[in-house]
Amino acid sequence: DAGVTQSPTHLIKTRGQQVTLRCSPISGHKSVSWYQQVLGQGPQFIFQYYEKEERGRGNFPDRFSARQFPNYSSELNVNALLLGDSALYLCASRQTGGSGNTIYFGEGSWLTVV
Amino acid sequence: LAKTTQPISMDSYEGQEVNITCSHNNIATNDYITWYQQFPSQGPRFIIQGYKTKVTNEVASLFIPADRKSSTLSLPRVSLSDTAVYYCLVGFNNAGNMLTFGGGTRLMVKP
Repeated sequence: DAGVTQSPTHLIKTRGQQVTLRCSPISGHKSVSWYQQVLGQGPQFIFQYYEKEERGRGNFPDRFSARQFPNYSSELNVNALLLGDSALYLCASRQTGGSGNTIYFGEGSWLTVV
Repeated sequence: LAKTTQPISMDSYEGQEVNITCSHNNIATNDYITWYQQFPSQGPRFIIQGYKTKVTNEVASLFIPADRKSSTLSLPRVSLSDTAVYYCLVGFNNAGNMLTFGGGTRLMVKP
């Protein structure tokens, strides 16, 4: 079975531009979340979506937005990019409703803002 | 969400058993304890999860004392490829996808 897949794997953007990152959860997983990981630090929670509704938001500015589609895939959008947005963006999915709370991560999208 | 404390770094040698202990004094009754492994430039990889006592899988063992205020990840006979950052996490929000990562433990396995 395919794991959590993310695209693109690497991209370079210029300050002020906008970026869209995409995530496909594991088949059967209905909950998707996004994390930002700056080099040398642990991942920081950005958003969580379940059944196409936002269920949680971390301490990130309004430049960050996301959505979940009927097929449970998700997009993370970041507007007006800053140099500090350069990071590894991770998507994670979970199969809610069953026992256990295992969350699985994708390999991430490396964003470099120049 | 319960805060976790774990050593910043550890060194070991190939073939040794490595034990990484995590403190989570304010763990809630319904919190699970989960450990992830992360290699540079990759997403965190699920290792093991437990609620109490001992859990073992093909990769590791997780020991949780009765008071659940700490947990120990045990990696048997480590190899060079086990060099990574290991994160201990507890607690989830309502829909279970919000994880609060600490700084993790950087394990260096030497030949």
